[in-house]
Amino acid sequence: RKEVEQDPGPFNVPEGATVAFNCTYSNSASQSFFWYRQDCRKEPKLLMSVYSSGNEDGRFTAQLNRASQYISLLIRDSKLSDSATYLCVVNNVYSGNTPLVFGKGTRLSVIA
Amino acid sequence: EAQVTQNPRYLITVTGKKLTVTCSQNMNHEYMSWYRQDPGLGLRQIYYSMNVEVTDKGDVPEGYKVSRKEKRNFPLILESPSPNQTSLYFCASSDLPGLATTDTQYFGPGTRLTVL
Repeated sequence: RKEVEQDPGPFNVPEGATVAFNCTYSNSASQSFFWYRQDCRKEPKLLMSVYSSGNEDGRFTAQLNRASQYISLLIRDSKLSDSATYLCVVNNVYSGNTPLVFGKGTRLSVIA
Repeated sequence: EAQVTQNPRYLITVTGKKLTVTCSQNMNHEYMSWYRQDPGLGLRQIYYSMNVEVTDKGDVPEGYKVSRKEKRNFPLILESPSPNQTSLYFCASSDLPGLATTDTQYFGPGTRLTVL
């Protein structure tokens, strides 16, 4: 099983739709979790951290399920500007492995 | 302005000609790392460094070297580049992973390398 797995997509959704991505991780000792956004040919940028209790930032909601070892990202009322690749990132620093592990990303296209 | 800079941004070279890609950050971060990104393979870590003079291999270190003589700089060295090292390279820095409130990775703008 790969360390961090994401559905590569693409997810093609109309403007205004709600879309959800999941990301599974294999290391039960993983400490912290993040979602990054990457626009085409640009550098990744932090979208939001994922807290145990779940957290929301505007139209974006992140959830963590430690028992099932997955995190999710929900985007409500999708905008054209949300089109990007979303990367799941897992921090394994205390497990002795490579500290930060990136998923391959899920591509989202929001269509007018 | 807090930033990570990489140079050059674009480079076309030939097999076997040694090259260095520089990376510099102005945020006093302990942790720095290099990634390569290839279609269908995502971001793969090449090397990382937890502090000055401390470097470790990532997932794909073969063919690369790094050094961390100063906190702000983390150059990536390709002693004898080969065509399979054609890729988009990103440098990143952050506070040490594990400090829950400061885990944001700041990425440089990327270096697109082509090895002929």
